Amino acid sequence: SQTIHQWPATLVQPVGSPLSLECTVEGTSNPNLYWYRQAAGRGLQLLFYSVGIGQISSEVPQNLSASRPQDRQFILSSKKLLLSDSGFYLCAWSAALEQYFGPGTRLTVT
Amino acid sequence: RKEVEQDPGPFNVPEGATVAFNCTYSNSASQSFFWYRQDCRKEPKLLMSVYSSGNEDGRFTAQLNRASQYISLLIRDSKLSDSATYLCVVNRGDYKLSFGAGTTVTVRA
Repeated sequence: SQTIHQWPATLVQPVGSPLSLECTVEGTSNPNLYWYRQAAGRGLQLLFYSVGIGQISSEVPQNLSASRPQDRQFILSSKKLLLSDSGFYLCAWSAALEQYFGPGTRLTVT
Repeated sequence: RKEVEQDPGPFNVPEGATVAFNCTYSNSASQSFFWYRQDCRKEPKLLMSVYSSGNEDGRFTAQLNRASQYISLLIRDSKLSDSATYLCVVNRGDYKLSFGAGTTVTVRA
């Protein structure tokens, strides 16, 4: 069966610091991968998606970036965090239309 | 207009009651629809996929009305464990999904 891992689970970072969140998927090959952010009391906002190694599409302009160095690894990064980057970051995978989420990373920028 | 709109609730219902709520979507070309469940501070989990006019899974029934562009979710014989936020999700095409902000359901003893 497929499993998806995210780490860290929680993170508190100062404004201006860098960020690296990692997501890995097991039990499937060539999945579509997604990064979402959920702000408090808000819906999920799609940040990036990837259909293959090195193929990244950005949904919204921001100070975040994503990379897919391996088939089942998806990384979300920032060089300098803003207060507005706080939120719940979720990675998801799909093989068809349904998407399955990892446990998420709760980021607080102070 | 938002792509997916939901009544945020909360819907407070006693155990054993039936609760139903709707979601509307703006893209008439959408073909696939889903309901996800999200517990507090947890990730969303797929509850049901809705590919035709509707489907039923145990106590949960989803219905799709393409003419009016809405999807409904009905929960029968509510359990305390059904307390959660229910996210309405619509396929945008190109393997991307649009999420509603969620409807909160609280089942009380």
